[in-house]
Amino acid sequence: AQSVTQLDSQVPVFEEAPVELRCNYSSSVSVYLFWYVQYPNQGLQLLLKYLSGSTLVESINGFEAEFNKSQTSFHLRKPSVHISDTAEYFCAVSRGTSYGKLTFGQGTILTVHP
Amino acid sequence: GAGVSQTPSNKVTEKGKYVELRCDPISGHTALYWYRQSLGQGPEFLIYFQGTGAADDSGLPNDRFFAVRPEGSVSTLKIQRTERGDSAVYLCASSPRWSGSYNEQFFGPGTRLTVL
Repeated sequence: AQSVTQLDSQVPVFEEAPVELRCNYSSSVSVYLFWYVQYPNQGLQLLLKYLSGSTLVESINGFEAEFNKSQTSFHLRKPSVHISDTAEYFCAVSRGTSYGKLTFGQGTILTVHP
Repeated sequence: GAGVSQTPSNKVTEKGKYVELRCDPISGHTALYWYRQSLGQGPEFLIYFQGTGAADDSGLPNDRFFAVRPEGSVSTLKIQRTERGDSAVYLCASSPRWSGSYNEQFFGPGTRLTVL
């Protein structure tokens, strides 16, 4: 079985500041790792994923996450946030197969202040 | 193209009643998932269909919950004898036919169920 822990339930930051949302997981098998974003009044959207290969993965809107196997972490970072990044972010893990259930963390609400 | 749709968007019912929640996946997607998201929590897996059959129903909390996908497209999540603890947002996701090492799950907007 897998589990995911998001260490911060809420993260307030000012616009243009850097941010890191922390995620740790546990699993006895190889996994895929994901970050999903949920903007206010919208559904879950995949932000980025790690399947294999390079441990640093990036999204099209400037977020990046690094898979650290020794620390079982997959923290999400952005060097400079915008007001529009205000949303809830979920870290998730699945078994390393083509289909399968996602196990989500509790979510981190990122609020970007002007 | 159209995304995953779920109906109704909101459902209010009384304790003990029966409810059905519907999911229309993206056309051609073979895999369909149901999750439940309680207030302040991340989504929790309920059941996964590959075609018409349930490939993994390990997340269904008890026998009051049942889901079907008779023609391999639309799915219905059925909850009998609803309880206040069933109040949550029920999410549906679908994935395309196998196309590589991972098939992304595309989520619908959810159905918010409130049991009074």
